[in-house]
Amino acid sequence: GAGVSQSPSNKVTEKGKDVELRCDPISGHTALYWYRQSLGQGLEFLIYFQGNSAPDKSGLPSDRFSAERTGGSVSTLTIQRTQQEDSAVYLCASSFPASGNTIYFGEGSWLTVV
Amino acid sequence: AQSVTQPDIHITVSEGASLELRCNYSYGATPYLFWYVQSPGQGLQLLLKYFSGDTLVQGIKGFEAEFKRSQSSFNLRKPSVHWSDAAEYFCAVGAPAGKSTFGDGTTLTVKP
Repeated sequence: GAGVSQSPSNKVTEKGKDVELRCDPISGHTALYWYRQSLGQGLEFLIYFQGNSAPDKSGLPSDRFSAERTGGSVSTLTIQRTQQEDSAVYLCASSFPASGNTIYFGEGSWLTVV
Repeated sequence: AQSVTQPDIHITVSEGASLELRCNYSYGATPYLFWYVQSPGQGLQLLLKYFSGDTLVQGIKGFEAEFKRSQSSFNLRKPSVHWSDAAEYFCAVGAPAGKSTFGDGTTLTVKP
């Protein structure tokens, strides 16, 4: 696609429910990132996928968070048993490391846990 | 491991004044360097990037940045700030074929 696409753009969920956030990267981009940004805060790295390599999961805050990337393209970030502190914007980004490695961001998924 | 430090959490400048945002990086070789801007309620937009060659790079919106290897810095500058430049600015360092790392950001406030 023309840009990084994320869905849903907004999600309100009840505490304790599971949520899935989807990211469709730019076609051909082999690298994909998930970040979390709480209100007024910086970027918190969550996970990095690059091609067929094992993902760098070092930023996942707890075992309630997981992500997968199917077929080297679309990625899903899953948050189980959501807590109020999970409320944030979840940003997906992609890049093509073999050609400049410029990172392109999606518009984000705004998650509110009530 | 690579890392980025943006020493200034918050900077306030008057409209029309010059601006410099600092960025220091740690990386074992020549890195790829980026500056991104995030306006309130918006996504991140690439301002400029350095891969190789001329160490002074020009970006959009009148911004420029200079790569100084000896100082491990990539500071962002603008000669005259406009009120619309108020935003969060992120510096990033990337391995040429690998993962990029972002700094914690600098919030710019522009006084009328």
